[in-house]
Amino acid sequence: GENVEQHPSTLSVQEGDSAVIKCTYSDSASNYFPWYKQELGKGPQLIIDIRSNVGEKKDQRIAVTLNKTAKHFSLHITETQPEDSAVYFCAARDQAGTALIFGKGTTLSVSS
Amino acid sequence: GAGVSQSPSNKVTEKGKDVELRCDPISGHTALYWYRQSLGQGLEFLIYFQGNSAPDKSGLPSDRFSAERTGGSVSTLTIQRTQQEDSAVYLCASSLARNRDDTEAFFGQGTRLTVV
Repeated sequence: GENVEQHPSTLSVQEGDSAVIKCTYSDSASNYFPWYKQELGKGPQLIIDIRSNVGEKKDQRIAVTLNKTAKHFSLHITETQPEDSAVYFCAARDQAGTALIFGKGTTLSVSS
Repeated sequence: GAGVSQSPSNKVTEKGKDVELRCDPISGHTALYWYRQSLGQGLEFLIYFQGNSAPDKSGLPSDRFSAERTGGSVSTLTIQRTQQEDSAVYLCASSLARNRDDTEAFFGQGTRLTVV
């Protein structure tokens, strides 16, 4: 089955800096890669996702890149703000409707 | 409501008791997932439903755990003879999953289970 590794487990940056979180996956059949943000006491919320037919996707300050050959994908947050502080999870899935397999999460702290 | 609803939000139970956790998915969502999140840990997959059937139960940690879904809507996760290691936040998610593009999963707030 799918296995997703995520690093770093914690990341501290200054406001305005960029943050990068990286994930690798094991199943070459996986074709959907979402990123979720979880704030304290809340359920995870989707912030961006990418499918295997594209290499990069951007949404304002957030971007995701995918390298299918190397089986890794990354989340990039530019111009970080204190409200970006949260736990971020990457995930992978091989086809619509099957289970998302998550990484262990990265705790991002943005200090002002 | 518009989102995934889970109840109760918090549950404290004595070791050895049975508990039931409920999930109301978004209306019309055919796929439903249960995950477990232990303190400071990632999301551990438990079980996935497509309609009322569960094609993937591979994540259930033991035979004390079971889940059902009725009417293609509400799902109940049951833990029998609870143990302290069952203490965690149990998260439910749903997605449309009509085709390969209906992939976004929406999560509920979770049920925090504490076994004492």
